[in-house]
Amino acid sequence: GDSVTQMQGQVTLSEDDFLFINCTYSTTWYPTLFWYVQYPGEGPQLLLKVTTANNKGISRGFEATYDKGTTSFHLQKASVQESDSAVYYCVLGDLLTGNTGKLIFGLGTTLQVQP
Amino acid sequence: EAAVTQSPRNKVAVTGGKVTLSCNQTNNHNNMYWYRQDTGHGLRLIHYSYGAGSTEKGDIPDGYKASRPSQENFSLILELATPSQTSVYFCASGDWGTSQNTLYFGAGTRLSVL
Repeated sequence: GDSVTQMQGQVTLSEDDFLFINCTYSTTWYPTLFWYVQYPGEGPQLLLKVTTANNKGISRGFEATYDKGTTSFHLQKASVQESDSAVYYCVLGDLLTGNTGKLIFGLGTTLQVQP
Repeated sequence: EAAVTQSPRNKVAVTGGKVTLSCNQTNNHNNMYWYRQDTGHGLRLIHYSYGAGSTEKGDIPDGYKASRPSQENFSLILELATPSQTSVYFCASGDWGTSQNTLYFGAGTRLSVL
């Protein structure tokens, strides 16, 4: 079945460090991939989306691209801040076949940024 | 600003009791969703709806019912609550297939079944 795999459960960085989070996906659809972010006590919210392989999604200093050949999707930020501490979810969705709007979430990567 | 409101925010229930979780959205979105979030499982889809009067089973529907009486409201019902249903539940709304293609989540309901 369709799935996403996030291997990094927890990432701890210092302010101004470079962030790189990777996930892999599996689907028979035409995927759109998302990164959702969840801050403590809140629901997930969209950070950015990428609808086409090798295109770049950019939001709030974060960048993401996905590679159809390796079925990988990554999120990066050049310089993290303490306020970026949150859980980041890699999410697979199907837009082109008029599917239900169901999203498949990875297990999440908890980012802790130390001052 | 898109708004999804869940109530209650916290709930303690007894095993075998009936629990209703409510969700209201002011986004005028057609689609609404119920997810549960558990450590080690991420977010999993329980039920969803395409509009008033419609409910569809998600990936883990057993033990849950859903009701969508209006465009704005979507409820999740646990007829006979069990301790395994202790979790954090999130409601979301969205208009899939539009240029937005974004789900908007509520702040969650923390349910403990004792």
